[in-house]
Amino acid sequence: QVQLVQSGAEVKKPGASVKVSCKASGYTFRNYDIYWVRQAAGQGLEWMGLMNPDSGKVAFVQKFQGRVTITTDSSINMTYMALNTLRSDDTAVYYCARGPYCTGGRCYSRGLDVWGQGTVVTVSS
Amino acid sequence: SVLTQPPSVSGTPGQRVTISCSGSSSNIGDNFVSWYHHLPGTAPKLLIYRNNQRPSGVPDRVSGSKSGTSASLAISGLRSEDEAEYFCASWDDTLSGYVFGTGTKVTVL
Repeated sequence: QVQLVQSGAEVKKPGASVKVSCKASGYTFRNYDIYWVRQAAGQGLEWMGLMNPDSGKVAFVQKFQGRVTITTDSSINMTYMALNTLRSDDTAVYYCARGPYCTGGRCYSRGLDVWGQGTVVTVSS
Repeated sequence: SVLTQPPSVSGTPGQRVTISCSGSSSNIGDNFVSWYHHLPGTAPKLLIYRNNQRPSGVPDRVSGSKSGTSASLAISGLRSEDEAEYFCASWDDTLSGYVFGTGTKVTVL
């Protein structure tokens, strides 16, 4: 079945970096954007960025520019989100999600229809 | 958040509740709206995409609509399992990013 499986929980110190992986299965990986979303305790959902596995195009919300890197290894249907210079307010659950279907340079919105199980990242000294 | 939702709505079993989502011309006004159901400790679940389309498995007592720069989610025949937080979302052309609503907690009395 279609699924996204994320790496396990991480505990990091302030100033460190974290890299969360997201492995896709059950569909043609290159045909869908992967979105990254996080939710801090007591807060709402926050979009961080996206990667198009076919073109390699990435986009980030401005607040994360320079701190977040999204990469992909299409040979193993994997996407990675790395966040550096961690702060305590980066403590959150991080999700990957399947985004629009993209083909021939055009993308078709279907909502974020498949989500990973979430990765808890705790930043604490 | 650029999409505004009421913090909470409530209803008794069997009632119909609606959740509003207010945006602007750069997001809802010019792009599709999706709705998500979220329980603590679980991944969000897509309820509505393209303003009013239901993925398979979502019951028809859940419906979405959009008018201008606002959207709404309606849940009829309210059940205890509908207690959750609900988020709207849309692409924002000015921010060049995906934006979520502030979230609405639904309580079944």
